[in-house]
Amino acid sequence: DAKTTQPNSMESNEEEPVHLPCNHSTISGTDYIHWYRQLPSQGPEYVIHGLTSNVNNRMASLAIAEDRKSSTLILHRATLRDAAVYYCEKTSYDKVIFGPGTSLSVIP
Amino acid sequence: GAGVSQSPSNKVTEKGKDVELRCDPISGHTALYWYRQSLGQGLEFLIYFQGNSAPDKSGLPSDRFSAERTGGSVSTLTIQRTQQEDSAVYLCASSPGGNIQYFGAGTRLSVL
Repeated sequence: DAKTTQPNSMESNEEEPVHLPCNHSTISGTDYIHWYRQLPSQGPEYVIHGLTSNVNNRMASLAIAEDRKSSTLILHRATLRDAAVYYCEKTSYDKVIFGPGTSLSVIP
Repeated sequence: GAGVSQSPSNKVTEKGKDVELRCDPISGHTALYWYRQSLGQGLEFLIYFQGNSAPDKSGLPSDRFSAERTGGSVSTLTIQRTQQEDSAVYLCASSPGGNIQYFGAGTRLSVL
């Protein structure tokens, strides 16, 4: 979906916070926003999801813009194990639309 | 508990042959999804099942692709007359309610 966009890559130093953005300009009122991450040679792994309010879990935080057309995944302290490709995703009716993914590199 | 299981993990086939890819979802999960991931690319949604029915098949790339799900459990993705551009990792995911998806490790298909 050309209207779901993410930066191709980002870099972070270890132990620093990381903000991974996603623009989903065609989102509708009932679409949940999910984030997944994928390590090399593995299937994607669920990280977090939300609808309108900001969300926190043990892995990350999710900040959702008031108009819901963008969201930001926040890793509070990046570790080397957080190096992965991060995908935002929205589900519209019977279709699932993933963003192109952001490859996160963590520098020791 | 057991996660989503996909078989085979790797499949090498000759151009023009048919292939069947299998997905065993987590027990009790009603929703099942198929995706294609070409080398170095993102996830391309193919099809979604709620129970045994797929409301929308328009994500399938061509009429050579078909999918079915029986008994609300196992699903097979069939590719007929494979082409080299079908080479990719095919991922399956299941979900208890169409929300959080749990992915398998995928089937890597290579068409020679």
